[in-house]
Amino acid sequence: GAGVSQSPSNKVTEKGKDVELRCDPISGHTALYWYRQSLGQGLEFLIYFQGNSAPDKSGLPSDRFSAERTGGSVSTLTIQRTQQEDSAVYLCASSLSGYNYGYTFGSGTRLTVV
Amino acid sequence: KQEVTQIPAALSVPEGENLVLNCSFTDSAIYNLQWFRQDPGKGLTSLLLIQSSQREQTSGRLNASLDKSSGRSTLYIAASQPGDSATYLCAVITGGGNKLTFGTGTQLKVEL
Repeated sequence: GAGVSQSPSNKVTEKGKDVELRCDPISGHTALYWYRQSLGQGLEFLIYFQGNSAPDKSGLPSDRFSAERTGGSVSTLTIQRTQQEDSAVYLCASSLSGYNYGYTFGSGTRLTVV
Repeated sequence: KQEVTQIPAALSVPEGENLVLNCSFTDSAIYNLQWFRQDPGKGLTSLLLIQSSQREQTSGRLNASLDKSSGRSTLYIAASQPGDSATYLCAVITGGGNKLTFGTGTQLKVEL
């Protein structure tokens, strides 16, 4: 596609429920990132996928968070047993092959846990 | 650990003024630096990408410079307009990984 697409754009969920956030990167981009932006906070790195390499999961805040990338394209970020502190905007970015080409971000998914 | 700081945190200027936003980073071993803008409730829009070997990049009224050795970058906006009002973020990629480390952002307001 022309840009990075994220869905849903907004999600309200009850505490304790599981949620899935989806990211469609730009076609041909091998690198995909998830970031989280909490209210009044900076952008926090969550996870990075590059081609067929093992993902860098060093930013995932707890074992309730997981992500996968199927077929080197679409990625899903799953949050299990959501907590109120998980409320944030979750941003996905893709890049052609890493740092030489810069990053294109999607519009994000605003998650509210009530 | 790379840390990125942006000064000022907020800036309000009258329309037509030229302005400079500052970004500093603690680890000079960066691969590149990217400037983004973020409008309220929106994602990030890339403005300029500077590779580590470059000194500056220009796009329209925007000019970004990079001084890697001193750990600094500036974003110059010429003839500011109300539509420039947004939060501006700088981000760097440091050796040892490909993840962007973001600055704290500068919230810009350009008033009529």
